[in-house]
Amino acid sequence: EIVLTQSPATLSLSPGERATLSCRASQSVSSFLAWYQQKPGQAPRLLIYDASNRAAGIPARFSGSGSGTDFTLTISSLEPEDVGVYYCQQRRNWPPLTFGGGTKVEIK
Amino acid sequence: QVQLDQSGGGVVQPGGSLRLSCAASGFPFSTYAMHWVRQAPGKGLEWVAFTSYDGINQYYVDSVKGRFTISRDNLKNTLYLEMDSLRAEDTAIYYCAKGFAEYFQHWGQGTPVTVSS
Repeated sequence: EIVLTQSPATLSLSPGERATLSCRASQSVSSFLAWYQQKPGQAPRLLIYDASNRAAGIPARFSGSGSGTDFTLTISSLEPEDVGVYYCQQRRNWPPLTFGGGTKVEIK
Repeated sequence: QVQLDQSGGGVVQPGGSLRLSCAASGFPFSTYAMHWVRQAPGKGLEWVAFTSYDGINQYYVDSVKGRFTISRDNLKNTLYLEMDSLRAEDTAIYYCAKGFAEYFQHWGQGTPVTVSS
């Protein structure tokens, strides 16, 4: 089973700042990694798939990069509505499909 | 637009059974794989089960194998999760999700399942 480790656990930033979230895989997942956003009380939403492709309707301030074992989700200029928990997920080797533990993004 | 309307959650005693439903609309249901994903209270996301577009192939996370069954009715555009021998650790919000290359493209609203005596 591929284990995904996300860091930091919590990120507290001011509006307009750049947010950088990390996801590290226990073995290579090539580019088969996605990012999801879950706002409080809501279902998750797909943001990025295959490491760097934005899903439909996702604002351009969200971008993904990386391959192999190290991946990054960047929010170029944090908006108040971006608060929530962000999860990475791999599909390189399954079952099972696995998620990281999440990074909570807060606004200062 | 894509809609996934879930029903069937509730409170059940340990060892009991429950069936979740997920009614799909706004897309050609019979051509898409579907998944169940759960989230225990205050915890992260855990993939539970997969069914291929035609219902022929199913995969499960080890912790539910032999107890949960994923199925679909492509004539009714509905996905199901039959849960038997429920345990306290199965307590979670359960989401159905439309598959997209083994990612989760659209999600239902979630339905809570509580296993408690």
